[in-house]
Amino acid sequence: GAGVSQSPSNKVTEKGKDVELRCDPISGHTALYWYRQRLGQGLEFLIYFQGNSAPDKSGLPSDRFSAERTGESVSTLTIQRTQQEDSAVYLCASSLAGQVGAVVGYTFGSGTRLTVV
Amino acid sequence: QKEVEQNSGPLSVPEGAIASLNCTYSDRVSQSFFWYRQYSGKSPELIMSIYSNGDKEDGRFTAQLNKASQYVSLLIRDSQPSDSATYLCAVKNSGNTPLVFGKGTRLSVIA
Repeated sequence: GAGVSQSPSNKVTEKGKDVELRCDPISGHTALYWYRQRLGQGLEFLIYFQGNSAPDKSGLPSDRFSAERTGESVSTLTIQRTQQEDSAVYLCASSLAGQVGAVVGYTFGSGTRLTVV
Repeated sequence: QKEVEQNSGPLSVPEGAIASLNCTYSDRVSQSFFWYRQYSGKSPELIMSIYSNGDKEDGRFTAQLNKASQYVSLLIRDSQPSDSATYLCAVKNSGNTPLVFGKGTRLSVIA
């Protein structure tokens, strides 16, 4: 597609329920990233996929969070047993491969605003 | 822990003035540096990237990098009210590592 597509754009869920967020990256972008942005805060790295390599999960805040990616296409971020502290905008970004020395910027999707009530 | 520091602001400048946004980073092996603009309620958009010491100009924007001082800045000349946004500094090491973002500086250009 022309840009990074995320769905849903807004999600309100009850505490304790599971949610699934979807990201469709730019075609040809092998790298895909998930970040979280709480209200008035900066971007917090969650997880990173690069081609067929094992994902970098170092930013996931707890074992309630998981993500998958099918090849070099769609990714889903799943949050189990949601808590109010999970309320945030979840941003997905994609880029060309992060090769050594390359200056590769990300293109962000418009985000999913998650509200846990 | 890799950190990127920015003054949260708000930084207020009059229309037509130069806005100067600053960022410091802790990891000496950082190689690539980016400035993103984020309007309220919107996602970040890339406006500048730089990886060599010195200045890089693009229209009204100039990015400045000083690796010895671990400092990167963004100058916006002839600031316009439409430049009012939060500016995020991001830093990347070599290889397959994610960008580390600062918390952003909120810029307000007063007409």
